[in-house]
Amino acid sequence: ETGVTQSPTHLIKTRGQQVTLRCSSQSGHNTVSWYQQALGQGPQFIFQYYREEENGRGNFPPRFSGLQFPNYSSELNVNALELDDSALYLCASSLDVSSYNEQFFGPGTRLTVL
Amino acid sequence: ELKVEQNPLFLSMQEGKNYTIYCNYSTTSDRLYWYRQDPGKSLESLFVLLSNGAVKQEGRLMASLDTKARLSTLHITAAVHDLSATYFCAGEMGAQKLVFGQGTRLTINP
Repeated sequence: ETGVTQSPTHLIKTRGQQVTLRCSSQSGHNTVSWYQQALGQGPQFIFQYYREEENGRGNFPPRFSGLQFPNYSSELNVNALELDDSALYLCASSLDVSSYNEQFFGPGTRLTVL
Repeated sequence: ELKVEQNPLFLSMQEGKNYTIYCNYSTTSDRLYWYRQDPGKSLESLFVLLSNGAVKQEGRLMASLDTKARLSTLHITAAVHDLSATYFCAGEMGAQKLVFGQGTRLTINP
């Protein structure tokens, strides 16, 4: 139990639709990172938010976007869904990005795109 | 660009045996992480290795880091069935921005 929650647990969408995934970090954690894990692969870094600003982005197109809110929750939005977007989406939170702090991963959201 | 490679990708072993998973990374990484993942579950943090020569042990698992060789190892001693899982190593390309290896799927047979 890491104290990081994600919703929903599972989600099925069709190609072309839009989806919003949510993450609730531990209180006081002002850094959140999102990862995409395709089946049988390691997680890939999508982007990181620090104090509600984007603080780095991986090799993902602009249709992947995010928000971080003052209440330590965050969202990952994906527009124009493609079949290859089917994956487990993980968020990870930590106290601060400026020095080493352990990241805590949430349980993930399993997205299936048909 | 940081790249992380693990080998082997699949490992089937008998209970009681010892084995090592290798993790090579391509450029400097401030820290090296090891995670465990059970099927359909999230990532469980096992070790964070902070400096050259670092060695950490927890139960039957021991991790080490050689920054000069850009190599980390995860050694399993006297394996038991409960250790069956997928193990990932990850380097850090920026503060807490992790680059993961492909994972090693470990199956331990009675």
